[in-house]
Amino acid sequence: SQKIEQNSEALNIQEGKTATLTCNYTNYSPAYLQWYRQDPGRGPVFLLLIRENEKEKRKERLKVTFDTTLKQSLFHITASQPADSATYLCALDRGSTLGRLYFGRGTQLTVWP
Amino acid sequence: KAGVTQTPRYLIKTRGQQVTLSCSPISGHRSVSWYQQTPGQGLQFLFEYFSETQRNKGNFPGRFSGRQFSNSRSEMNVSTLELGDSALYLCASSLEPTGGVSNQPQHFGDGTRLSIL
Repeated sequence: SQKIEQNSEALNIQEGKTATLTCNYTNYSPAYLQWYRQDPGRGPVFLLLIRENEKEKRKERLKVTFDTTLKQSLFHITASQPADSATYLCALDRGSTLGRLYFGRGTQLTVWP
Repeated sequence: KAGVTQTPRYLIKTRGQQVTLSCSPISGHRSVSWYQQTPGQGLQFLFEYFSETQRNKGNFPGRFSGRQFSNSRSEMNVSTLELGDSALYLCASSLEPTGGVSNQPQHFGDGTRLSIL
């Protein structure tokens, strides 16, 4: 089955810096990859989706890259703010007809002033 | 547009009991997926329903079941509850089913926190 590893359980950075979160996967090659944000006591909220034939996707201060050779996705938050503090989850889908999302365990990001 | 609604938000049960959780998807969404989230295992896929049919099922015992109604609302049931079933149960909806070329993002509710005593 699909195995997904997110670089660390927790990441602490100073406000204004760029946060970089890593998602590594093994076994199957996903057709696309999604990133979600989850706040305590809430459900995950969709942020970005990137397809296997795309190298990079941007949305405001967020950037996602997808390297199918390295089997890795990087999620960047530039000019980070304390409000960006949350757990970030990556999720993969192989793209088959009966697809399903495999989620990583998430990285808890804390941005301190 | 109202988001995904899950009821109840919190539930306390004892071992051996059964429980039913409810999920109302975003209006117009026909696919509903259920996940179990625990600190140790993260988000684990339970099953997905589309047009009242179960399309896909995760690696959970038969005690976990679900169904979807004609209005796309969904319920999941857990019978003979065990201590290990304590978790946050999340429901997510999307316009089309997961997989294929649709690449649908999931819209999650805030979950039902189930505690087993």
